[in-house]
Amino acid sequence: EPEVTQTPSHQVTQMGQEVILRCVPISNHLYFYWYRQILGQKVEFLVSFYNNEISEKSEIFDDQFSVERPDGSNFTLKIRSTKLEDSAMYFCASSAGQINSPLHFGNGTRLTVT
Amino acid sequence: AQRVTQPEKLLSVFKGAPVELKCNYSYSGSPELFWYVQYSRQRLQLLLRHISRESIKGFTADLNKGETSFHLKKPFAQEEDSAMYYCARLKAAGNKLTFGGGTRVLVKP
Repeated sequence: EPEVTQTPSHQVTQMGQEVILRCVPISNHLYFYWYRQILGQKVEFLVSFYNNEISEKSEIFDDQFSVERPDGSNFTLKIRSTKLEDSAMYFCASSAGQINSPLHFGNGTRLTVT
Repeated sequence: AQRVTQPEKLLSVFKGAPVELKCNYSYSGSPELFWYVQYSRQRLQLLLRHISRESIKGFTADLNKGETSFHLKKPFAQEEDSAMYYCARLKAAGNKLTFGGGTRVLVKP
């Protein structure tokens, strides 16, 4: 069964540095998402992406965040200048986008900002 | 705003006992509801969707529009059911999934 893959599994970075989290969605899916989960808290929506543009974003997704689908297979999340509070698990997901299509999630990238 | 509420953060049951995880959602049109499960150190996996009306791993969930609930049930819990369970609502096809806060299930031997 096809899966969403994410790399790296764990990223450690210093405050103020830029990080790029990478995702390869399921190949025939059209909708792409990033979620995050701060330790001990709920899974929070960050952004959804369709047809090469952001379709929806949350309040968390401020100017420090950006997403890109550079080559038709990868889907990246960039945090321009990381803060301590960005430390979390970041999950990528994709969906076929049809009625009742579930989201399929990757294994996540654990981001630790020191 | 779409809201999904899971009132229990932790459910601890003995093996073989029934388990019910509560989920309530805010009313807004026709809901598309899901249960996701996250085993230790693994990805979020789809467990059930309300439209399928199926039983997966012995779990069932019934949509009750009158009570705006989508509770997850299993009559006889197993140790391998220990995991985090998330109720989630899809805003519309292709749109975002809104998660509840999650319920940790611990099945004791």
